[in-house]
Amino acid sequence: DTAVSQTPKYLVTQMGNDKSIKCEQNLGHDTMYWYKQDSKKFLKIMFSYNNKELIINETVPNRFSPKSPDKAHLNLHINSLELGDSAVYFCASSQTGSTEAFFGQGTRLTVV
Amino acid sequence: GQQLNQSPQSMFIQEGEDVSMNCTSSSIFNTWLWYKQDPGEGPVLLIALYKAGELTSNGRLTAQFGITRKDSFLNISASIPSDVGIYFCAGQRSGTYKYIFGTGTRLKVLA
Repeated sequence: DTAVSQTPKYLVTQMGNDKSIKCEQNLGHDTMYWYKQDSKKFLKIMFSYNNKELIINETVPNRFSPKSPDKAHLNLHINSLELGDSAVYFCASSQTGSTEAFFGQGTRLTVV
Repeated sequence: GQQLNQSPQSMFIQEGEDVSMNCTSSSIFNTWLWYKQDPGEGPVLLIALYKAGELTSNGRLTAQFGITRKDSFLNISASIPSDVGIYFCAGQRSGTYKYIFGTGTRLKVLA
């Protein structure tokens, strides 16, 4: 069983389109995250939700909108995609009181 | 946003050699984590450190929480080809949910 699963694994789309990436965790964790990894492999946090509430919102364009329908899911919707949005997006989860975050396999987004 | 600096940025080593890498910050963290990322995969947690001065091992890996709480070190003994990958440190301050990641050390092992 995959602990943190993201779909799709690969996403190629044209500039200006709107796309969504889905994330689900079956670990029973109460906190979920979205990270962006750029071409230099730098990992930067974008958002975090705890019990469906937004708790971290880094300086991210408002074209990016996370949505957490329940504790096990955190989706990322991106409007008006730009070339610079091309990256690998990782979902992660952790449990309050534990410092260990578990990552999904990533979604490689390519905007052409 | 803040990033932690890792050194070296990349290294080639011979199989069987020991490897050392470190992670430094300008500010204090209460928890240090070390992750490994294989190509096409997400980071996988290797070791978690919770106290200044703590030394923790996981097989051939040993990590230390620096006594200043501004750095951490990872050693890999007797490297093997499957140790290839990118190693990331991550720091977390108490009372926050945010993990700040290092710039990564890319390890390549020559058989």
